[in-house]
Amino acid sequence: DIQMTQSPSSLSASVGDRVTITCRASQSLSSYLNWYQQKPGKAPNLLIYEASSLRNGVPSRFSGSGSGTDFTLTISNLQPADFATYYCQQSSSLPLTFGGGTKVEIK
Amino acid sequence: EVHLVESGGVVVQPGGSLRLSCAASGFTFNDYSMHWVRQVPGKGLEWVSLITWDGGTTFYADFVKGRFTVSRDNSKNFLYLQMNTLRTEDTALYYCVKDMTPEYTDYDFESWGQGTLVTVSS
Repeated sequence: DIQMTQSPSSLSASVGDRVTITCRASQSLSSYLNWYQQKPGKAPNLLIYEASSLRNGVPSRFSGSGSGTDFTLTISNLQPADFATYYCQQSSSLPLTFGGGTKVEIK
Repeated sequence: EVHLVESGGVVVQPGGSLRLSCAASGFTFNDYSMHWVRQVPGKGLEWVSLITWDGGTTFYADFVKGRFTVSRDNSKNFLYLQMNTLRTEDTALYYCVKDMTPEYTDYDFESWGQGTLVTVSS
């Protein structure tokens, strides 16, 4: 199974900050890496697919990069609606696996 | 608009059985592969199973293999998860999830239901 390691597990940031979350895979994924946002009491929401493709309707302040084993989710100009938990997920091979999550909190 | 509504989650004893259902609407159900993903409240996400758009192929996580069975009824737009020999560690919120690309399984979780809570406890 492919292991996904996210860091940090939590971070504190202020509105307007630029935030970076990283995800490392135990083997190469090519570009088969997705990012999700989950707010308390809600289902996850797909933000980025195939490492860098922004899903329709997702604000352009979200961006993804990387390939192989190392990936990054960047939120520029952090907004109040962005305080949530973020998960990466590899879509390269079964079984599909997720990172442990990064909780973005208000400083 | 895609709408996925799960049901069937209850409290069940260890060793018991349960069937979850997911009613799908707002899209051509028989064009999309579907997944079940679970989450222990307050914890992370775990992929559970996958069924292709035609129902012809299924896959499972090792921790449910041989105990859970995924199926679908494309005439009724329903997805199911039959859960047998339940364990306390199966306690979680179970989400019904739609794949992104029609007639192709891309493993991208595009749309999620709100989940149904399964509690396995004596």
